Amino acid sequence: EDQVTQSPEALRLQEGESSSLNCSYTVSGLRGLFWYRQDPGKGPEFLFTLYSAGEEKEKERLKATLTKKESFLHITAPKPEDSATYLCAVQSIYNQGGKLIFGQGTELSVKP
Amino acid sequence: ETGVTQTPRHLVMGMTNKKSLKCEQHLGHNAMYWYKQSAKKPLELMFVYNFKEQTENNSVPSRFSPECPNSSHLFLHLHTLQPEDSALYLCASSQDGGTGAGEQYFGPGTRLTVT
Repeated sequence: EDQVTQSPEALRLQEGESSSLNCSYTVSGLRGLFWYRQDPGKGPEFLFTLYSAGEEKEKERLKATLTKKESFLHITAPKPEDSATYLCAVQSIYNQGGKLIFGQGTELSVKP
Repeated sequence: ETGVTQTPRHLVMGMTNKKSLKCEQHLGHNAMYWYKQSAKKPLELMFVYNFKEQTENNSVPSRFSPECPNSSHLFLHLHTLQPEDSALYLCASSQDGGTGAGEQYFGPGTRLTVT
């Protein structure tokens, strides 16, 4: 069964304190792994897609990496505006309908 | 703005009411999705439409009835809901809903409360 587990559930950082969020996954043939950001009361905002182990992508203070079993979202020198819930999802090559399997998310809080 | 709009943003309905949620995408995509997001739970896929055809129904109760008249519009018709159906309902779209499916773009959601 395809599954995604994110850790920690919640993370509190001081502004400028770098850290990483973890996404562990099991999937029967990975088509892609996706990272989203979700602010309270809003829909998820697409950040990155990773397709194969060893791939890395960056956007401002965020960097996503992928291995065969997990993905990390590294946050460098975070700012309060980075506070949000970060969601990870996987898509299987065997799924015909574009189905995404989501983790429960990591709620990030960055204090000034 | 992601190019996916949803109306209404908030909805309160009684268990005997009938209401509809609307989603519209302005991205030229061919696939549209309905998700349910409950507190402390992962997003749950409900329905998938690819080129207006329903390709997935994730064991959703019949009190939820989707409709996709064209690739840009998606509706979710609601009737005789239960209090446990209260949640954030999210619509999403992607370029392709088949074997080449990639990232999905989400709307802001409809916060539904069933009383």
